This record gives sequence, structure tokens and C-alpha cells, in this order.
Amino acid sequence: EDQVTQSPEALRLQEGESSSLNCSYTVSGLRGLFWYRQDPGKGPEFLFTLYSAGEEKEKERLKATLTKKESFLHITAPKPEDSATYLCAVQAYSGGGADGLTFGKGTHLIIQP
Amino acid sequence: DTEVTQTPKHLVMGMTNKKSLKCEQHMGHRAMYWYKQKAKKPPELMFVYSYEKLSINESVPSRFSPECPNSSLLNLHLHALQPEDSALYLCASSQDLVGRAFFGQGTRLTVV
Repeated sequence: EDQVTQSPEALRLQEGESSSLNCSYTVSGLRGLFWYRQDPGKGPEFLFTLYSAGEEKEKERLKATLTKKESFLHITAPKPEDSATYLCAVQAYSGGGADGLTFGKGTHLIIQP
Repeated sequence: DTEVTQTPKHLVMGMTNKKSLKCEQHMGHRAMYWYKQKAKKPPELMFVYSYEKLSINESVPSRFSPECPNSSLLNLHLHALQPEDSALYLCASSQDLVGRAFFGQGTRLTVV
């Protein structure tokens, strides 16, 4: 069974204080690892897809990295508008069937001015 | 157009009602999904439609039934729901079975 564990569950930072969110995963065969941002009452907003160990993606203040067992979402000099729940999800190879995403429980990030 | 549109945004229904949730995308995507999200929990996959084939999460009760009238539309028919079915129902689509999924804004369902 595919498993995704995110830590910490919640994180409170001061504006400008950089940090990292962790996503550990166990899958039979990784098709892709995805990072999403979700604001309260809204659908998840896509951030990054990573496919193989060593891959890195960057967008504004966010950078995602991938190893064979985990992924990190690094947030550099965050602003209050970065406050949201960050979700990690994996898609695994199946036996020919159609698979969706398996999500972790998310990290609730609060950036204080 | 990079949007997934869900209607209605909010729905309140009684346990004896029949209702439907609608989802539409015009990105030419061949895979569409329904997820259920309870408060402070991650989304959980319910159904996948891809290339006219339906895949079901076996834990989903039969009071939920999906329908895919065409490649741009995905409906979720609801019948005899229970209060514990109250949740945010999210529709998503992707180009194929691998890659980025685009999510709609969800339908907030309350069962009374």
C-alpha cells in the first residue's frame, strides 16, 4: 500500500524566516511526486511535479527536491501570502489500472508578518 | 482554458434526496477524477475515468455513482447519503494517467 507522510503537521514562521517541509513516501514504483498548495475551502493548486531522484524544481520562493525516499519543499524568505496547507502526493505504477494521487495529510504553514 | 469547473459550489441535501454534482474541463484531458475531502484531512480518491474506463476505489459506497457523458464532463450522482458524507468533493483532470492534475474549486456538500 502506498504511504505518504508529511512533517511537520503545522509550522509557524516569521516573515523572511526560511524553512523546509518534508514528505516521506513508500510506493511500489513511483510514477511521480507532486506538491500542491491548498487554501481553506478551495481546491489544491499545483506547484511541482518530480519524477526521479535528484530532480529539483524551483518557482519564486519555493524549491522542491526529490530523493528515493523523500521530498523536501524549501521556502526561502516566505511572505504572509505563502500561508496555506502544502500537500504532497504520489502516483504509483499499478497493474494496468488507472491510479489517482495518494496524498499526505499536509503541512499547515502560517507566516506571521 | 486551464480550468476545471464544478457546479454547484454548495449543496445541502436531505438523506432521501437524489442530487448530482457536475464537473467540466475543456483542456482535452483524457483522465478525470473524483476526490472526497473531509475537514482537515487530505483528499481521498473515489473514482477515475480514463479512456472510457472507470476505476473505483473499493471503499466508496454504492450511494455514490459516477457518470461520464463525454470526455469533457464528469458527473457524480448522489442517492440516500448519510450525514458522514458531508465533505468537499473535488473534481480533477489530467492529460493522461501520469502527470499534473488540475483541480476544480470543489462542491461543499452538507447532508442533513
